[in-house]
Amino acid sequence: GAVVSQHPSRVICKSGTSVKIECRSLDFQATTMFWYRQFPKKSLMLMATSNEGSKATYEQGVEKDKFLINHASLTLSTLTVTSAHPEDSSFYICSARGGLAGSTDTQYFGPGTRLTVL
Amino acid sequence: AQSVTQLGSHVSVSEGALVLLRCNYSSSVPPYLFWYVQYPNQGLQLLLKYTSAATLVKGINGFEAEFKKSETSFHLTKPSAHMSDAAEYFCAVGGSARQLTFGSGTQLTVLP
Repeated sequence: GAVVSQHPSRVICKSGTSVKIECRSLDFQATTMFWYRQFPKKSLMLMATSNEGSKATYEQGVEKDKFLINHASLTLSTLTVTSAHPEDSSFYICSARGGLAGSTDTQYFGPGTRLTVL
Repeated sequence: AQSVTQLGSHVSVSEGALVLLRCNYSSSVPPYLFWYVQYPNQGLQLLLKYTSAATLVKGINGFEAEFKKSETSFHLTKPSAHMSDAAEYFCAVGGSARQLTFGSGTQLTVLP
């Protein structure tokens, strides 16, 4: 159990376009979803936390207008990179957690999305 | 605030040898601690977690970790390394909002 999927797994886009990445919890209801960014050979950097039905909470330094997060249902969250630029190229990973907000339940991670902006 | 320090960005062991990956944490509240493994171009897979029950935690693939409060450590071990264990390993601590703070990762290489 506890499977999280991401789509697409890999995307290449032109500079200035927008890209949407989906994160789905397949066999549990995810009250909280997290979006991370990982640079090559680096650790994961938390970008934002979203609870179902409410606005996402962004970490310091993350532009909320550039990285739009929607958590419209208990099984789906989306990250939209707007007006993408080459510096946005990265590996984006989502995770999902069930239970109440702030609970100690384990986060389960998606397989990641490799974004390349030309 | 929470933080995690993983000593050794790269660890190499021979196949069949003991694996020891070090993790020290700092937390202002009783910590929830995790070890995750990441294979190339993949997401993170949970190896094991400590949530204030038994201090010796057994995980998947033969890994285990021991929570030592006095040393603020949560080192990951495996008695006998296998080639398939080669991957990046991350230690993480659960924060007040149950967000995770990750260590910088340790790349494990298993030599034949």
